[in-house]
Amino acid sequence: AQSVTQLGSHVSVSEGALVLLRCNYSSSVPPYLFWYVQYPNQGLQLLLKYTTGATLVKGINGFEAEFKKSETSFHLTKPSAHMSDAAEYFCAVTISGNTPLVFGKGTRLSVIA
Amino acid sequence: DGGITQSPKYLFRKEGQNVTLSCEQNLNHDAMYWYRQDPGQGLRLIYYSQIVNDFQKGDIAEGYSVSREKKESFPLTVTSAQKNPTAFYLCASSISLGQGEKLFFGSGTQLSVL
Repeated sequence: AQSVTQLGSHVSVSEGALVLLRCNYSSSVPPYLFWYVQYPNQGLQLLLKYTTGATLVKGINGFEAEFKKSETSFHLTKPSAHMSDAAEYFCAVTISGNTPLVFGKGTRLSVIA
Repeated sequence: DGGITQSPKYLFRKEGQNVTLSCEQNLNHDAMYWYRQDPGQGLRLIYYSQIVNDFQKGDIAEGYSVSREKKESFPLTVTSAQKNPTAFYLCASSISLGQGEKLFFGSGTQLSVL
């Protein structure tokens, strides 16, 4: 069965600093990987996805992630944090798009002025 | 506008009571899902449905029941057998099973025990 592990339940960065949220996956077959963002008391919104092809994927709000098969990782980055980026971020995996998504436990991002 | 509507936004359950959370979508999606969210636990899959009149248990189905009589609707009942029901419940839908890039979420229902 597939799974994801998000390292760090809470990450705090200064405004303008690099954002790095870590995600490692486990899958016996090529995975489809996703990052979602959740603002308080709301549902989740898709930030970006990796299915096949280019391993560096760009998403909304200046976020990007790189699929590294050798490291089984799909870390989320943003060069410069903004106050509006404060939210909870979830990494998720599915096998070839044929199974329900399995989510990580989430990482809460705080941005300090 | 198309989307997913969950109601109510807040719900309170008394001991021994069954409660039902509503989820309606007008996106013409075949697949629908229920996730439970607890602080620090991420989202855990309760039930999912690929088509009308068919549904499968997820990872934490005990104490919950669902129905899928209409394509648009996928209500979740939290039964009295669920001893720790306090959580944020999220409904989602997608065109077909596993379509993460087209997975739409409702705004959630916060269930608390009185």
